[in-house]
Amino acid sequence: EAQLVESGGGLVQPGGSLRLSCAASGFIFGNYWMSWVRQAPGKGLEWVANMRQDGSEKSYVDSVKGRFTISRDNAQSSLYLDMNSLRAEDTAVYYCARGLYFGRFDSWGQGTLVTVSS
Amino acid sequence: DVVMTQSPLSLPVTPGEPASISCRSSQSLLDSNGYYYLDWYLQRPGQSPQLLIYWAYTRASGVPDRFSGSGSGTDFTLKISRVEAEDVGVYYCMQALQTPGTFGPGTKVDIK
Repeated sequence: EAQLVESGGGLVQPGGSLRLSCAASGFIFGNYWMSWVRQAPGKGLEWVANMRQDGSEKSYVDSVKGRFTISRDNAQSSLYLDMNSLRAEDTAVYYCARGLYFGRFDSWGQGTLVTVSS
Repeated sequence: DVVMTQSPLSLPVTPGEPASISCRSSQSLLDSNGYYYLDWYLQRPGQSPQLLIYWAYTRASGVPDRFSGSGSGTDFTLKISRVEAEDVGVYYCMQALQTPGTFGPGTKVDIK
C-alpha cells in the first residue's frame, strides 16, 4: 500500500525559509508525478507545485514562483519543497500527493502544518 | 488559469436519499486523447483528501459504486445514489488539464 509521510513543517517568521520533505513507500516512486497541495486554515485546497517522474518538468502556481522550489530524489523515494521568502499567506497544511499525471491524486500524505508569523 | 466553480456550496442530505454536486470549468477540460481531465475528491473531517473520480467518470480503486461522475465540456456532476453517514465532508472538483491545476471552492455535505 502506498504511503506518503510529510515532515518539516513548523513556525517560521515572515521572510524566513523552510524545507518540507515527503517520504514515500509501498510503490515505485520514480513511476509517478508528485505534487504539493496546500490548505490554509478553514479554507479549500490549492495546488502548489508538481514534478514529472524524471524531474524534467516542474510547474508552480503563480503565487509561489521564484520563492518555492520542488525537487525529488527517486533513489531515496523522497519529494521536497524548499520555501523561501515566506509570507503570512503561505500558512497552511501542506500535503504531498501522488499522481499518474499531474492530477489523479490517488495517494495523499497526512500533511504538515506551516505557520508563518512573527 | 482555468477557474472552477461548484454548486451548491452547502448540501444537507438525508441518509438513503440521492445527492448531486455540480462543477463548472471556465474552459473545456477535453484533452486531445479524448479524456476529460476532471477529478473529484472527498475530504472527510480531519482527514486528508481522497480521490473519488478521475477522467470525469472513472471511479478510483475502492470507491463504492454509489458514487458516479458524468459530464462533458465544461459541466460536470458528481452523484451519490444513496447517501450514507460516512459520505459527509467537503467535495472538491479539480481540473488537471492545464497547469496550474485548480480546485473548485468545495461543497460541504452534511446530514440533515
